[in-house]
Amino acid sequence: DTGVSQDPRHKITKRGQNVTFRCDPISEHNRLYWYRQTLGQGPEFLTYFQNEAQLEKSRLLSDRFSAERPKGSFSTLEIQRTEQGDSAMYLCASSLIFQDTDTQYFGPGTRLTVL
Amino acid sequence: GIQVEQSPPDLILQEGANSTLRCNFSDSVNNLQWFHQNPWGQLINLFYIPSGTKQNGRLSATTVATERYSLLYISSSQTTDSGVYFCAVEHEYGGSQGNLIFGKGTKLSVKP
Repeated sequence: DTGVSQDPRHKITKRGQNVTFRCDPISEHNRLYWYRQTLGQGPEFLTYFQNEAQLEKSRLLSDRFSAERPKGSFSTLEIQRTEQGDSAMYLCASSLIFQDTDTQYFGPGTRLTVL
Repeated sequence: GIQVEQSPPDLILQEGANSTLRCNFSDSVNNLQWFHQNPWGQLINLFYIPSGTKQNGRLSATTVATERYSLLYISSSQTTDSGVYFCAVEHEYGGSQGNLIFGKGTKLSVKP
């Protein structure tokens, strides 16, 4: 039984470049979430998918951010024209809605540093 | 939006001691989870507990939804319990699903 995996684990980029992160959820989990965490804070919700449908997006998700989950399996999060303020840990989580429970399981995260 | 407050913000314990972490929330919730973030950044789900009491080994949690708080108990603490403990809730009337709102966490350090 593999958990949630994320790739890459670390990414250093220059301001203005585009970056893409990948998340592979636990197999058969129908929900996938993206969060962002900055130092000393709790994770902040960005967006989530149920199967392939993106059902909610936070106001934190500017138009430079886009997320996809083709075929309801893995997901990608792309940030265009990165800014120094985008530096953070990007976390992915997945869950299986079952009998009114929604336990979220998190991946190890991708740490983004924008120079 | 819903507010989530955790206390204390920092806690230092001697190995073997017990502790209680508190989470207060400002409105009705239909989802409450406790997480442990280890020093390497990995978030581990401890409990899904929108109401009632659960126990898992040395850890237990109680949520009193009508009074809008949850408690996480750690007994006989070990150095491996060190890290940050987060409470996260989903607002029952927030118009969204799955959107967990996290508190700022309690940073626990267990000394040998």
